[in-house]
Amino acid sequence: QVQLVQSGAEVKKPGASVKVSCKVSGYTLTELSMHWVRQAPGKGLEWMGGFDPEDGETIYAQKFQGRVTMTEDTSTDTAYMELSSLRSEDTAVYYCATVSDGGNSVYFDYWGQGTLVTVSS
Amino acid sequence: SSELTQDPAVSVALGQTVRITCQGDSLRSYYASWYQQKPGQAPVLVIYGKNNRPSGIPDRFSGSSSGNTASLTITGAQAEDEADYYCNSRDSSGIWVFGGGTKLTVL
Repeated sequence: QVQLVQSGAEVKKPGASVKVSCKVSGYTLTELSMHWVRQAPGKGLEWMGGFDPEDGETIYAQKFQGRVTMTEDTSTDTAYMELSSLRSEDTAVYYCATVSDGGNSVYFDYWGQGTLVTVSS
Repeated sequence: SSELTQDPAVSVALGQTVRITCQGDSLRSYYASWYQQKPGQAPVLVIYGKNNRPSGIPDRFSGSSSGNTASLTITGAQAEDEADYYCNSRDSSGIWVFGGGTKLTVL
């Protein structure tokens, strides 16, 4: 059973950066494909990016390219998502989630509890 | 870019059957997955693949697909099924997308 535990809530000023962590237990990070999804207040889920095992690279949603960096520390089984140049529209709950890929059956099977990032001056 | 379209809101009488649909071109190549989200909670996977339920998901939840449309059916809806439901898929370039979500009200 995979468990994902995320870091605590953050308050940032516009223009700053935030780095959210996601600690894995039950499996090692190398066995998983980790992605990040966010949800603005009262809005739907939005995929930000994640590891694509088909080509062994991290792929980012076009909307976030240049502003987001997703990394992994396999020594501690912790994944990170850093978002820079924050603006008020980035206020959201950020989730890490693992992907299972069975050919044409792909899905997010495990989710972290979410990290609220508030961007406010 | 890939898009998945869902009805914003659906209602169902307690104990009746409701279908939530999701349309998008990527669904011609990939099965949709479905997530239930209750207020203040993380999403929970309820259906994946052709029609698979993770452990712990009641068998009143089922999925189906035809062409560019995927459906989530709840047979005998319960009060605890009131939630937001999201479909999700990926496209051939590795881009993932969520539908806009459907708010299910159980009357």
